[in-house]
Amino acid sequence: GAGVSQSPRYKVAKRGQDVALRCDPISGHVSLFWYQQALGQGPEFLTYFQNEAQLDKSGLPSDRFFAERPEGSVSTLKIQRTQQEDSAVYLCASSLWPGAYEQYFGPGTRLTVT
Amino acid sequence: EDKVVQSPLSLVVHEGDTVTLNCSYEVTNFRSLLWYKQEKKAPTFLFMLTSSGIEKKSGRLSSILDKKELSSILNITATQTGDSAIYLCAVEGTQGGSEKLVFGKGTKLTVNP
Repeated sequence: GAGVSQSPRYKVAKRGQDVALRCDPISGHVSLFWYQQALGQGPEFLTYFQNEAQLDKSGLPSDRFFAERPEGSVSTLKIQRTQQEDSAVYLCASSLWPGAYEQYFGPGTRLTVT
Repeated sequence: EDKVVQSPLSLVVHEGDTVTLNCSYEVTNFRSLLWYKQEKKAPTFLFMLTSSGIEKKSGRLSSILDKKELSSILNITATQTGDSAIYLCAVEGTQGGSEKLVFGKGTKLTVNP
């Protein structure tokens, strides 16, 4: 595709609900990243995939957060039992290969937990 | 822990002014420093810097890295209202084999007509 796409663009969840956020990286990109951006802050790293392998999940804030990329392309970030502090924009980025510096970002999913 | 600090956090100027945005960093095994522009949602790539003292330029925007001072600046000359955005600085280290970016909080630039 032309760029990184994410869906849904907006999600409102009641506290305690589970949500799933989808990322379609640029076709052929090996590396995929998830970031969380709270209001007024810069993006913060959550997790990193190289193809289907999750090489770094050190940024996931709790065990309620889970990410997968089973076929090395599309990725899903799942948040179980959402809490109000999970409200943020979730950004996905991809890069062509490991060691390629430029990460291309998607438009993000704005999650609001009420 | 890797850290990026940007200053100022916000800046209001008039069209035609020149601005300088600052970024300082602490990172394990520095690999690169990147500047992004964020208008609505997706940060869009501006520059990637790896070598000290070499200026990168794109139109009215330019940036330079100082590895000795662990800092970078982003200059915008003859600002236009379309330059209004949040400018994010990020660094990439190679700690633990991950290529994650560590971002600063950003500088919110407002250019008034």
